Amino acid sequence: DVKVTQSSRYLVKRTGEKVFLECVQDMDHENMFWYRQDPGLGLRLIYFSYDVKMKEKGDIPEGYSVSREKKERFSLILESASTNQTSMYLCASRSQGSGNTIYFGEGSWLTVV
Amino acid sequence: GQNIDQPTEMTATEGAIVQINCTYQTSGFNGLFWYQQHAGEAPTFLSYNVLDGLEEKGRFSSFLSRSKGYSYLLLKELQMKDSASYLCAVILQTGGGNKLTFGTGTQLKVEL
Repeated sequence: DVKVTQSSRYLVKRTGEKVFLECVQDMDHENMFWYRQDPGLGLRLIYFSYDVKMKEKGDIPEGYSVSREKKERFSLILESASTNQTSMYLCASRSQGSGNTIYFGEGSWLTVV
Repeated sequence: GQNIDQPTEMTATEGAIVQINCTYQTSGFNGLFWYQQHAGEAPTFLSYNVLDGLEEKGRFSSFLSRSKGYSYLLLKELQMKDSASYLCAVILQTGGGNKLTFGTGTQLKVEL
């Protein structure tokens, strides 16, 4: 059974803290994605990666960075968390090939106070 | 860049048919997905279109016109459990991989 695992479901962090959100997939997928989801704004792409150490900016990369040192793991980093980064973060992965579906993790609810 | 538009909200009656539209303006189009998302849950896959035409899967069908930048999701025999958000997502070929971008979603409410 396919699995995308996000390490933390609920986090509360202080403004200015460095935050790591981890995502692991066990399907040997090339592509991995980080989205944030906010009411009325839908799913917005932050960063994605198509191979180890390869990354591309999504639509809202400001304030975030990512790391893909191993194929199965894609980390989202908030260098200095701010209250406007309070959101639900979704990780996803997908095999290369246009017809392949995307698999989502359970989501991480981050509150920055 | 890309621009993906969907209606924000729709209401329909149990047992009826509803059509949710999605228009997009993109370069490097490489396919379109529809996802369903219930509140507090991750999205789940409904359909995929890359060629023009209709794809049918049970009560759900999806249509694509690449030349018009248009897709729709058709839900038949609506049930109360179909109340959810429906997300249109476009795959774009980028320099290195495939970027998957979502519209803002259509909140469907099914009433008795």
